[in-house]
Amino acid sequence: GQQLNQSPQSMFIQEGEDVSMNCTSSSIFNTWLWYKQDPGEGPVLLIALYKAGELTSNGRLTAQFGITRKDSFLNISASIPSDVGIYFCAGQGLWDSNYQLIWGAGTKLIIKP
Amino acid sequence: SAVISQKPSRDICQRGTSLTIQCQVDSQVTMMFWYRQQPGQSLTLIATANQGSEATYESGFVIDKFPISRPNLTFSTLTVSNMSPEDSSIYLCSARTGAGNTIYFGEGSWLTVV
Repeated sequence: GQQLNQSPQSMFIQEGEDVSMNCTSSSIFNTWLWYKQDPGEGPVLLIALYKAGELTSNGRLTAQFGITRKDSFLNISASIPSDVGIYFCAGQGLWDSNYQLIWGAGTKLIIKP
Repeated sequence: SAVISQKPSRDICQRGTSLTIQCQVDSQVTMMFWYRQQPGQSLTLIATANQGSEATYESGFVIDKFPISRPNLTFSTLTVSNMSPEDSSIYLCSARTGAGNTIYFGEGSWLTVV
């Protein structure tokens, strides 16, 4: 089946550092979505990308839809303690009429005290 | 965006019993999805529920174990039947908005089967 490769699997960073994570696929997607999940909660949508090359910001977060439509990255600038959590990428393509999401395995962000 | 409410948020269930999770969306949506997320894992799609038709189940999930109802455009239920400890998981409801193909999630229902 379709798969997304999300990296890194986890990150240990200092407060104030910038963070970068990415997802790649062997398939073309029409939509890339980035979610954050806190423990015991459902995923919360951070950024949605709909066009190849699109660069979108949401506060300190910036995400881009790769020009090949097979990848996306998420950057977090000047990380703060509340950024801790698991970040998931998800892609959506037209091969499935239900527009189901294909999920990355997640990037766990940990901020060193 | 859509606001999606799930209940119960948490429950501890006895082995062999069944539990129904409710999902309410604050707007009419065509497509709703039910996911399972086991601890430390990514999300796994159980089924897609469209109003007025039978739910479509993914490989490894069957209607007898996870019956789904979708009586209208704002509501759905997922039942986890004859539970075993392996069913302990977060169950997530999601809905696709009409524009942009964006999918939003409920807060999740954390089930522990003892």
